[in-house]
Amino acid sequence: EVQLVESGGGLVQPGGSLRLSCAASRFTFSIYWMSWVRQAPGKGLEWVANIKQDGSEKYYVDSVKGRFSISRDNAKNSLYLQMNSLRAEDTAVYYCARLTDGFDYWGQGTLVTVSS
Amino acid sequence: ETVMTQSPATLSVSPGERATLSCRASQGVNSNLAWYQQKPGQAPRLLIYGASTRATGIPARFSGSGSGTEFTLTISSLQSEDFAVYYCQQYNDGYTFGQGTKLEIK
Repeated sequence: EVQLVESGGGLVQPGGSLRLSCAASRFTFSIYWMSWVRQAPGKGLEWVANIKQDGSEKYYVDSVKGRFSISRDNAKNSLYLQMNSLRAEDTAVYYCARLTDGFDYWGQGTLVTVSS
Repeated sequence: ETVMTQSPATLSVSPGERATLSCRASQGVNSNLAWYQQKPGQAPRLLIYGASTRATGIPARFSGSGSGTEFTLTISSLQSEDFAVYYCQQYNDGYTFGQGTKLEIK
């Protein structure tokens, strides 16, 4: 079955940076759009960013534009999220998800905590 | 931005009974609507896409209906493992989720 495994979360100070990774396996990574979705503690789900199969198109929720950057390496079956200028409101579990009609497979998530 | 509103916030139903969850979009999303189930400490799981198509491996007791702005998720006979939080999500205009409906045991 499809597997997505996130890593890179942790505690970071406001204004700091963090890079999340997602290792994909058991499917042909290069033919799918991929996404990041986050969930603040005790809250609902929020889509963060999408990237096209070849990386040529990227889309972001307004609240992270100019601060976050999504990328991928199809040779390594990996998805990334570079997060800069982090704010307290970015605290959340970040999920990597495969995008088809909806998000059909999700990783287990990695927790990012922004706090001094 | 298309705002998704789910109702009720909490639904109490007995095992074996039917549960009906609602989702309304602030503008039409055609049939570009998905439903997810999330249990505590777990990632969401896709149940329904295209408003009414069950995802791979989803039991037939889960069904979705609606189009445009009004959607429904029905669970025909609740099993113990179905008590969870359910989210709707539109993918017609960006990607936005409802705030969730918590389905609890009555």
